[in-house]
Amino acid sequence: GAGVSQSPSNKVTEKGKDVELRCDPISGHTALYWYRQSLGQGLEFLIYFQGNSAPDKSGLPSDRFSAERTGGSVSTLTIQRTQQEDSAVYLCASSPGTHSNQPQHFGDGTRLSIL
Amino acid sequence: AQKITQTQPGMFVQEKEAVTLDCTYDTSDPSYGLFWYKQPSSGEMIFLIYQGSYDQQNATEGRYSLNFQKARKSANLVISASQLGDSAMYFCAMRAPFTQGGSEKLVFGKGTKLTVNP
Repeated sequence: GAGVSQSPSNKVTEKGKDVELRCDPISGHTALYWYRQSLGQGLEFLIYFQGNSAPDKSGLPSDRFSAERTGGSVSTLTIQRTQQEDSAVYLCASSPGTHSNQPQHFGDGTRLSIL
Repeated sequence: AQKITQTQPGMFVQEKEAVTLDCTYDTSDPSYGLFWYKQPSSGEMIFLIYQGSYDQQNATEGRYSLNFQKARKSANLVISASQLGDSAMYFCAMRAPFTQGGSEKLVFGKGTKLTVNP
């Protein structure tokens, strides 16, 4: 079946602009995660959604970052007033549920470049 | 806080030989899950194998096996009969605590770049 889908695959924008990254999880997966992969920091957790529960936002690096998940499916990660240090690959993952040994399945990521 | 350490930035192996990628972890939680992912140059993260802290046996999945030494807090990935297509970055990751209401995020190591030579 279809995997996790992310768009765009690449995004180049100027410093100070806002960007929106989209993630479409695997159908039926209730848990959705955002991670950031950068050269200096490796893979970092950003935010996690599970059903109708309040999201775990503990990994968001600043208040310029926000995310929402509409209808328990598609999620959008928004970065306002982008900075050069926001340049990274943003990975989305989903899993069937929580508290289980089911792995998180990742999308191909969005490569974000801030000029 | 949870921490994953992968001490080998790069590893080389000859095709058809076995290779071990090291992973040590640190957590005070008795219940945790350990995962290995492969990331080829194309960028996708591919799940390889899982080990639970209470699992009695080491996990195996085809050519992948996990050498889980709980007392040493290590979870090394063993790839047998290496293939050219195994060349990639390999990440060890942990979820802890692995209980109801526990953490859902994965904490990743820095990764090991494996190169398989013909």
